[in-house]
Amino acid sequence: EADIYQTPRYLVIGTGKKITLECSQTMGHDKMYWYQQDPGMELHLIHYSYGVNSTEKGDLSSESTVSRIRTEHFPLTLESARPSHTSQYLCASSHTGSGNTIYFGEGSWLTVV
Amino acid sequence: AQSVTQPDIHITVSEGASLELRCNYSYGATPYLFWYVQSPGQGLQLLLKYFSGDTLVQGIKGFEAEFKRSQSSFNLRKPSVHWSDAAEYFCAVAPNTGGFKTIFGAGTRLFVKA
Repeated sequence: EADIYQTPRYLVIGTGKKITLECSQTMGHDKMYWYQQDPGMELHLIHYSYGVNSTEKGDLSSESTVSRIRTEHFPLTLESARPSHTSQYLCASSHTGSGNTIYFGEGSWLTVV
Repeated sequence: AQSVTQPDIHITVSEGASLELRCNYSYGATPYLFWYVQSPGQGLQLLLKYFSGDTLVQGIKGFEAEFKRSQSSFNLRKPSVHWSDAAEYFCAVAPNTGGFKTIFGAGTRLFVKA
């Protein structure tokens, strides 16, 4: 099992604010992911990373950006939040050597007012 | 096109009754297969996975799943449901390279009645 930590778990911010959702994993997984999920809906991959200094956009277009400067850390940033960004953001990771099974953090709930 | 279908949006079962959640996939080769569970406000927790070998896979919390190649299915089962099993369940498929190419189904919401 992977230990993946997301902070904050819940965030309410005003429109136009810059926010960063933090994600760290302690299992040395090489791949990391960000998914977006609206309540009761399916998951959409918005960003992924193969390793340090590697970031790619996922299937769902997102105005957010990510960085991967350290293996264990994969933060997501919104430069100017809007109400349409209100959603749950799930960070995840996997290891190439173990079949790339994806393990998830507990999620960050973002509400933009 | 590669896809995962969970035909049931929601299912209601009585506590103590058996459960089967359906999952069908469309994939070019035998994929890796997964079931996850998500409690309200939480992330997804891996219940079980199938890579190869025995087609009946045991997972955590008393769940099992059976891979049927001829039916392109990977149904999740539990012989006796507990109230704490009420949650959203996601089936997922991935190539043997896994990772970002993992495809998740839309989920099935399980309600448990007393």
